[in-house]
Amino acid sequence: EPEVTQTPSHQVTQMGQEVILRCVPISNHLYFYWYRQILGQKVEFLVSFYNNEISEKSEIFDDQFSVERPDGSNFTLKIRSTKLEDSAMYFCASKSTGSTDTQYFGPGTRLTVL
Amino acid sequence: AQRVTQPEKLLSVFKGAPVELKCNYSYSGSPELFWYVQYSRQRLQLLLRHISRESIKGFTADLNKGETSFHLKKPFAQEEDSAMYYCALSYMNTGFQKLVFGTGTRLLVSP
Repeated sequence: EPEVTQTPSHQVTQMGQEVILRCVPISNHLYFYWYRQILGQKVEFLVSFYNNEISEKSEIFDDQFSVERPDGSNFTLKIRSTKLEDSAMYFCASKSTGSTDTQYFGPGTRLTVL
Repeated sequence: AQRVTQPEKLLSVFKGAPVELKCNYSYSGSPELFWYVQYSRQRLQLLLRHISRESIKGFTADLNKGETSFHLKKPFAQEEDSAMYYCALSYMNTGFQKLVFGTGTRLLVSP
């Protein structure tokens, strides 16, 4: 069964550095998402992406964040200048089409900002 | 604003006991409700959704619009059910389907 994959599984970075988290959605999916989960807190929506543009973003998704689908397979989340509070688990998800389809999640990338 | 509440952080039961994980939601429109499960060291995966009205791994959940609840139930818990369970809500009839999650309930099933 096809799965969403994410790399790396764990990223450690210094405050102020740029990080790029990578996701490979399921191949025939058209809708892509990033969520994050700070330790001990709920999973929070960051951004949704469709047809090569952001369809919705949360208040968390400020100017430090950007998403890109640079080729036909990857979907990336970039944090331009990381802060301590960006430390979290970041989940990518994808969905095929239609309002009733299921979002499939990747295993997550644990980002630690020192 | 949409909100999902899972009042229990931890639910501990013995094998064979009934289980009910509570979920209440707040949304003025027609929500779509989901239960996601995360087993140890594994990804979030869909357990069930209210529109499917199916039973997965013995779990069922009924949407009660009057009580704005979507509690997850299983009559006889198994040790392999131990996991983190998240209730989530989404808009209906939009393609973008942002999920709003509750804080999760950890279910521990002891032998």
